[in-house]
Amino acid sequence: GENVEQHPSTLSVQEGDSAVIKCTYSDSASNYFPWYKQELGKRPQLIIDIRSNVGEKKDQRIAVTLNKTAKHFSLHITETQPEDSAVYFCAAIYTGGGNKLTFGTGTQLKVEL
Amino acid sequence: DVKVTQSSRYLVKRTGEKVFLECVQDMDHENMFWYRQDPGLGLRLIYFSYDVKMKEKGDIPEGYSVSREKKERFSLILESASTNQTSMYLCASSLGRQVLGAETQYFGPGTRLLVL
Repeated sequence: GENVEQHPSTLSVQEGDSAVIKCTYSDSASNYFPWYKQELGKRPQLIIDIRSNVGEKKDQRIAVTLNKTAKHFSLHITETQPEDSAVYFCAAIYTGGGNKLTFGTGTQLKVEL
Repeated sequence: DVKVTQSSRYLVKRTGEKVFLECVQDMDHENMFWYRQDPGLGLRLIYFSYDVKMKEKGDIPEGYSVSREKKERFSLILESASTNQTSMYLCASSLGRQVLGAETQYFGPGTRLLVL
């Protein structure tokens, strides 16, 4: 089955700096890679996703890149703000085999003032 | 707006008790999932269901069972609760049909279960 590794487990940045979270996956058939954000005490919510037919996707201050050859994908947050502080989860799935996501272990991002 | 609700936010049970966790979604989603969330381990899939009365094991099904008698409701059952089942339990649902965005999972607020 799919295995997703996520690094780092914790990340602390100064407000305004950029943050990068990296994930690797094992199943070369995986073709959909979402990122979920979980604020303290709240439920995880989708913030951005990318499909295997594109290499990069942006949405305001967040972007995701995908390298299919190396089987890794990354979340980039620019101009970080205190409200970006949360746990971020990456995930991977082969959509032709159902909708069972495999999640990474999460990254606790702390944006310091 | 998709709404996924869970029957309890906090639950305290004794070792050996039978525990029921309920999840309801109101968007006619086909897929429903149960995860447990533990620090440093992320979200681990316990069971999932693609249709009514259908269930499949996830990565950590031992000690759990599920029931899906109606499309909108997915129940997680701990037959005999043990202390190592103390955790946060998250339910999720997704559309499931072959359309763009069908893979997006919508989570419930979670149930924090303490087994004494």
